Amino acid sequence: GAVVSQHPSWVICKSGTSVKIECRSLDFQATTMFWYRQFPKQSLMLMATSNEGSKATYEQGVEKDKFLINHASLTLSTLTVTSAHPEDSSFYICSARDPGRVSYGYTFGSGTRLTVV
Amino acid sequence: SQQGEEDPQALSIQEGENATMNCSYKTSINNLQWYRQNSGRGLVHLILIRSNEREKHSGRLRVTLDTSKKSSSLLITASRAADTASYFCATDYNNDMRFGAGTRLTVKP
Repeated sequence: GAVVSQHPSWVICKSGTSVKIECRSLDFQATTMFWYRQFPKQSLMLMATSNEGSKATYEQGVEKDKFLINHASLTLSTLTVTSAHPEDSSFYICSARDPGRVSYGYTFGSGTRLTVV
Repeated sequence: SQQGEEDPQALSIQEGENATMNCSYKTSINNLQWYRQNSGRGLVHLILIRSNEREKHSGRLRVTLDTSKKSSSLLITASRAADTASYFCATDYNNDMRFGAGTRLTVKP
């Protein structure tokens, strides 16, 4: 089945540094990937839609200069949290859908727990 | 932004009982999906129901969809302790997917 690999699974960084999170579709090509953020015991909030070869579409209230998204290939999207601060600590999850398996919904990465100290 | 509401927010049942979770949404949909999330993990797709479908089954799962009421329900029959997780509904409209608030299900052995 469709597999999405997300790396790293957890990261601790110092305030002011940048962190890059990778999301790879392993056995299918994804022209579109999605990035979500989830706070403890809350639902997933869509941050941005990552489009291969073009600029990402950000949700209202999400700072595009802080959360840099690059979707340079059909199998890789990256989210870079720039100048991270403690309030950026959260669980970040990516997803994609295999165009050949639409009825199976979206496949999610295992998530990245970011802790900014 | 989130699409809709789920109720209950939390549900605690005994193993063997059935669990019913409800989801309401606000906008048009192409389909509605249910996902499961174990604590601190990614989401696992459970079932997808299209807007022109009213009911769908998959193993111990039964999903209903009422587009006139903009609501869906997920029934888990004969629950097991391993079903303990958070369950989310998600509406999909033209590749724009939005999640409900989720129901935290606890199944006691």
